[in-house]
Amino acid sequence: DVKVTQSSRYLVKRTGEKVFLECVQDMDHENMFWYRQDPGLGLRLIYFSYDVKMKEKGDIPEGYSVSREKKERFSLILESASTNQTSMYLCASSYTVPLLEQYFGPGTRLTVT
Amino acid sequence: QKEVEQDPGPLSVPEGAIVSLNCTYSNSAFQYFMWYRQYSRKGPELLMYTYSSGNKEDGRFTAQVDKSSKYISLFIRDSQPSDSATYLCAMSDYTGGFKTIFGAGTRLFVKA
Repeated sequence: DVKVTQSSRYLVKRTGEKVFLECVQDMDHENMFWYRQDPGLGLRLIYFSYDVKMKEKGDIPEGYSVSREKKERFSLILESASTNQTSMYLCASSYTVPLLEQYFGPGTRLTVT
Repeated sequence: QKEVEQDPGPLSVPEGAIVSLNCTYSNSAFQYFMWYRQYSRKGPELLMYTYSSGNKEDGRFTAQVDKSSKYISLFIRDSQPSDSATYLCAMSDYTGGFKTIFGAGTRLFVKA
């Protein structure tokens, strides 16, 4: 079974803090993704990576950065957390061929106060 | 206008009912259509996918795509309380890009 794990299920941070969200997958997938999920807005892509040290901006990259130093690990960084970044963050991974099924982690519920 | 529109519900049905979940989309380039199921406090998991138009059946689930109307559906027959979850439609044009567009999800409750 594919397993995607995220470092925390729940996180509370203060405005202005630097926040690290970690994601690890164990299926040797080439691609990894970070989404945020908000009620009524669905899943919105923040960043994705198709190879180690490679990254591409998604639809809402502002205020975020990512790091992929190893194939199995993809980190999302909130440089200076703000209250509008309070959300559910979901990490996913996939093979390149076929590029259809994404395997999701359980999510991190981040609250910024 | 969002690229993918999905009624958020909630949709509440009695056990055994036939459930119909729907999405509309605006991008005619979409070729792959997926349905993900997300249980409470879990990440989404792929339920079914179809390519282009037509129907696909898997047990109690049927996915239907009408590209001419830009409309996709997921039917659940003989619904069970264990089907209670949020169902997200998703679609991709798969032109070498990596972006899948997700609907907002429909929350389904199946009452015993």
